[in-house]
Amino acid sequence: GNSVTQMEGPVTLSEEAFLTINCTYTATGYPSLFWYVQYPGEGLQLLLKATKADDKGSNKGFEATYRKETTSFHLEKGSVQVSDSAVYFCALSGLEFAGNNRKLIWGLGTSLAVNP
Amino acid sequence: DTEVTQTPKHLVMGMTNKKSLKCEQHMGHRAMYWYKQKAKKPPELMFVYSYEKLSINESVPSRFSPECPNSSLLNLHLHALQPEDSALYLCASSQESRIRNYEQYFGPGTRLTVT
Repeated sequence: GNSVTQMEGPVTLSEEAFLTINCTYTATGYPSLFWYVQYPGEGLQLLLKATKADDKGSNKGFEATYRKETTSFHLEKGSVQVSDSAVYFCALSGLEFAGNNRKLIWGLGTSLAVNP
Repeated sequence: DTEVTQTPKHLVMGMTNKKSLKCEQHMGHRAMYWYKQKAKKPPELMFVYSYEKLSINESVPSRFSPECPNSSLLNLHLHALQPEDSALYLCASSQESRIRNYEQYFGPGTRLTVT
């Protein structure tokens, strides 16, 4: 079945450092890929998505490219800020349906702390 | 507007209480979800409603009872909960499609503590 493997955290960076959070997946078919972010004490927010191979999702300075050849969807940001401190979840649309939509398969999350 | 609202933000209840969590969205989404999330873990799917009908119950104990009064509202009724049910309860919604994989939009959650 489909699955997501995400790099373990916590990740600690200084402000303005370059960020990479690795996400690899196994999947059959053509899943969509998502990054969600959860700031302390809040719900999940969709950060970016990609629906097919070679798509690049981007938002708020974050980017991720859907790489079918390496089955990866790594999250990157060129210069992190203290306000980026959060937990980041990689997810993909699974094979199983929940109603008319595919269930999301989640990575375990990566905690990011950015120090001033 | 991509907002999903949830009330209350925090809830403390005893094991004999009955309470309800509420969720609302005005994006015209016809799929609505309840998730449970423990600290620093990914969310766990509990229930899915599709066109106001329950389509998935992920073997959730009967002390959790969902309800979808209309296409914009989703409730979760709680009764006789256990301390291990303490968690963040998240509501989400999405468009419906068996062909496209639409993203889910989440609310801010209700942080539930069972004493």
